[in-house]
Amino acid sequence: AQSVSQHNHHVILSEAASLELGCNYSYGGTVNLFWYVQYPGQHLQLLLKYFSGDPLVKGIKGFEAEFIKSKFSFNLRKPSVQWSDTAEYFCAVNAADYKLSFGAGTTVTVRA
Amino acid sequence: NAGVTQTPKFQVLKTGQSMTLQCAQDMNHEYMSWYRQDPGMGLRLIHYSVGAGITDQGEVPNGYNVSRSTTEDFPLRLLSAAPSQTSVYFCASSPRGPAQEKLFFGSGTQLSVL
Repeated sequence: AQSVSQHNHHVILSEAASLELGCNYSYGGTVNLFWYVQYPGQHLQLLLKYFSGDPLVKGIKGFEAEFIKSKFSFNLRKPSVQWSDTAEYFCAVNAADYKLSFGAGTTVTVRA
Repeated sequence: NAGVTQTPKFQVLKTGQSMTLQCAQDMNHEYMSWYRQDPGMGLRLIHYSVGAGITDQGEVPNGYNVSRSTTEDFPLRLLSAAPSQTSVYFCASSPRGPAQEKLFFGSGTQLSVL
């Protein structure tokens, strides 16, 4: 069965630190990849997505992610975090029509 | 534009009770889905629909029923609630499906089954 693994359950860092969240998936065929974010008290929303082309994709709020096909990975990065980046981050993979599989999520806490 | 509206926001049930979680969207989206979110497990797909009259199972469909009589509404029914169904439930929609476009999520329903 297809699975999505997020390496970190909870990450705590200070403002201006760099952030990298790991995501690996198990499906071997063509996939579409996503990062969703849930800010405190807000709806889940799309941060960025990869369908094809340049494996380095940029999303909202300065986030980017790199697709490495050989490693089945889609890691999320931000060079310098802000307090407002405190949220829960979910990696998601679409490998079959109409089904999106999510990872367990990573809670990111940014200390001012 | 309201987007995806879920009701109720909170619900407490006793084991064996039935209830329906409501989901409505006003964006004329063909695709709608239900997820449950549990600590350490992320979001898991329960059921989805690609249009009125068409539904299919996701990862964890047991104990849940759905129907799609209109484009706007996609209710989730628990016929006989169990403590294992204590969770936060999210409804999500998109124009054609999660592969092509982003999902629009509702605010969630927090359900406790005692």
